[in-house]
Amino acid sequence: AQSVTQLGSHVSVSEGALVLLRCNYSSSVPPYLFWYVQYPNQGLQLLLKYTSAATLVKGINGFEAEFKKSETSFHLTKPSAHMSDAAEYFCAVSQAGGGNKLTFGTGTQLKVEL
Amino acid sequence: EAGVTQFPSHSVIEKGQTVTLRCDPISGHDNLYWYRRVMGKEIKFLLHFVKESKQDESGMPNNRFLAERTGGTYSTLKVQPAELEDSGVYFCASSQTQGVQETQYFGPGTRLLVL
Repeated sequence: AQSVTQLGSHVSVSEGALVLLRCNYSSSVPPYLFWYVQYPNQGLQLLLKYTSAATLVKGINGFEAEFKKSETSFHLTKPSAHMSDAAEYFCAVSQAGGGNKLTFGTGTQLKVEL
Repeated sequence: EAGVTQFPSHSVIEKGQTVTLRCDPISGHDNLYWYRRVMGKEIKFLLHFVKESKQDESGMPNNRFLAERTGGTYSTLKVQPAELEDSGVYFCASSQTQGVQETQYFGPGTRLLVL
């Protein structure tokens, strides 16, 4: 069975500050890992995904995440937060041979303050 | 290219009534998924269609939920009769079959409230 833990249901940062959203996973086989973002009244949008190629994955809007197998982590970062980054972020995992269904974390609401 | 669309965007019904949610995937996407997010909890997988066939329905809560995908295009998810605990946001996603984990594209969701 696979699972995802997102530490911090709410994270607040100042505009221009580093964004760090934490994600730890549990998987019995090498996982595929994803970060999705949901802006208000919109669907989930893929930010980036890890599929066993490079461990540092770059996504859209300046976000990136690093797969660390030893720590079973896939934390999302952005060097400088922008007001437009305020949204809910979801980490998800799937397994090869598992039909590609996604297992999500509980989400982290990011607030960006002036 | 049009994205995944879902109808209705919101639905408020009484306990015991029937509701049908619709999802139109991106054209040409063979895979269609349904997920649900109950308030305050994680988004959970319900089922997966490949074309018109149910590939995996392990996440369906009970037999009050019926999903169909006739002709392998749009899909419907019917809840009959609805219960209070069925309230939540129902997401649909679609993807093309690829060798490596494909990207699932999500719709905006249907917000269901059962009173």
